[in-house]
Amino acid sequence: QVQLQESGPGLVKPSETLSVTCTVSGDSISDSFWSWIRQPPGKGLEWIGYIYYSGSTNYNPSLKSRVTISVDTSKNQVSLKLSSVTAADTAVYYCARDPESIDAFDIWGQGTLVTVSS
Amino acid sequence: DIQMTQSPSSLSASVGDRVTITCRASQTITNYLNWYQQKPGKAPKLLIYAASSLQSGVPSRFSGSGSGTDFTLTISSLEPEDFATYYCQQSYSTLRTFGQGTKVESK
Repeated sequence: QVQLQESGPGLVKPSETLSVTCTVSGDSISDSFWSWIRQPPGKGLEWIGYIYYSGSTNYNPSLKSRVTISVDTSKNQVSLKLSSVTAADTAVYYCARDPESIDAFDIWGQGTLVTVSS
Repeated sequence: DIQMTQSPSSLSASVGDRVTITCRASQTITNYLNWYQQKPGKAPKLLIYAASSLQSGVPSRFSGSGSGTDFTLTISSLEPEDFATYYCQQSYSTLRTFGQGTKVESK
């Protein structure tokens, strides 16, 4: 059974860098694309970007200047870094599997809430 | 960006009702359209992919249709566990985008 588990700091100060990690179990990270998606409290879903195990990435242009997504195949982990955060970056951050076979987010982590506040 | 517009934004229904949610894309996305269900405090769950393919384990009362720019999610007979928010999402573009969501509430 494939499971995704996000871990993050919970609280980040404005202007600092948010870092969240997704650990994948029950599946090889080499078999799919892996996306990050966020959801501000009470609002809708925003796709942040994806990475392939090879390291190839694609980012939402609205966040591209601040986002880095990376992969560690030895640990079966995908990581998200978002720099220069503001209160507008407060959200639940989800990782999701995005297999080429269906072009949809078929497995999601439970999400981690990151609050940006001083 | 491809804009995804859902209607209605919310609806009230009763158990047993037939529920239809529509999603319109700002340009053609052929059949690259997915539907998700989200309950409060939970991650979204994939229901339908490629406009009409039912994800494994999803009840058959859920169905999807459409192509091009106009799509529909139908719940044939609403069950108590179906009260939730539903999102459409396009995967035609490398910039993935979601609809704003449709909240299905109890009448």
